[in-house]
Amino acid sequence: QSALTQPPSASGSRGQSVTISCTGTSSDVGGYDYVSWYQQYPGKAPKLIIYEVIKRPSGVPDRFSGSKSGNTASLTVSGLQDKDEADYYCSSYAGSNNFVFGTGTKVTV
Amino acid sequence: QLQLQESGPGLVKPSETLSLTCTVSGDSINSRGYYWGWIRQPPGKGLEWIGSVYYSGSSYYNPSLKSRVTISLDTPNNQFSLRLSLVTAADTAVYYCARTPDRGMANDFWGQGTLVTVFS
Repeated sequence: QSALTQPPSASGSRGQSVTISCTGTSSDVGGYDYVSWYQQYPGKAPKLIIYEVIKRPSGVPDRFSGSKSGNTASLTVSGLQDKDEADYYCSSYAGSNNFVFGTGTKVTV
Repeated sequence: QLQLQESGPGLVKPSETLSLTCTVSGDSINSRGYYWGWIRQPPGKGLEWIGSVYYSGSSYYNPSLKSRVTISLDTPNNQFSLRLSLVTAADTAVYYCARTPDRGMANDFWGQGTLVTVFS
C-alpha cells in the first residue's frame, strides 16, 4: 500500500481558511468512510482532529472540518490562528485491518 | 483518563531485533472493540502505520513490514509489545503506540513516542 498524497505545504493569513487535500485510491480513501486527520506539533505526538471523514472528537473546535469526494479527502481549517501552525496528516482504513497515512502537510499561518 | 507509555531501548544494533512495550493505564486492553497499534516516524519524515493487535489477540501488519514484525498483547500486565527484527538504519524513528476504536477506525489516544536509533 502506498502513502496517501498530500501537498507538502499550505499557508494562509490569520482569520482566513486553508484546505488540505489527501488523495488515495478506491482501495482506501474512496472505498471507506474511515478517513481521519491528525495535527502534530514539533516534538509532540499527533492529535486526532477528524475521524470518519467529518466527525470531530470532543474538544476539537468546529473551525476544523472534513469532507470527501471520490478518492480525495480534504481538511479545512477556518479562521486560522497562530496555534494552527503545525503538520497535518490524513489516514485511511485500507481494508483487511490495514491502515495508511498521508505524506503530511506543513501549515504556515 | 487513558494513557499510553512506550518503553524500551533507545539504541539497537543493525541486524538485531527492536523490542518496545506500551503500557496502558486507565482502560483494559481486553476491552471489546479496540485495536492497539504502533506507528513510527523517521526523523523529519511522515507517519507510517506498522501494525495493530485487536483486543481478541489477532494481529495485522503493514505489508511492507510484515515479514519482520510481531505485535502481541500482554494481558496480565495490561501492555502490548512490538518486535521488529533485522533492523537497519532505515528503522531509526520515533515509535508511537496508539489506541484505535473499531467504531471510528482512528487513533484516538497516543503515547508520547520513543526514539529508537539503529546504530553500530
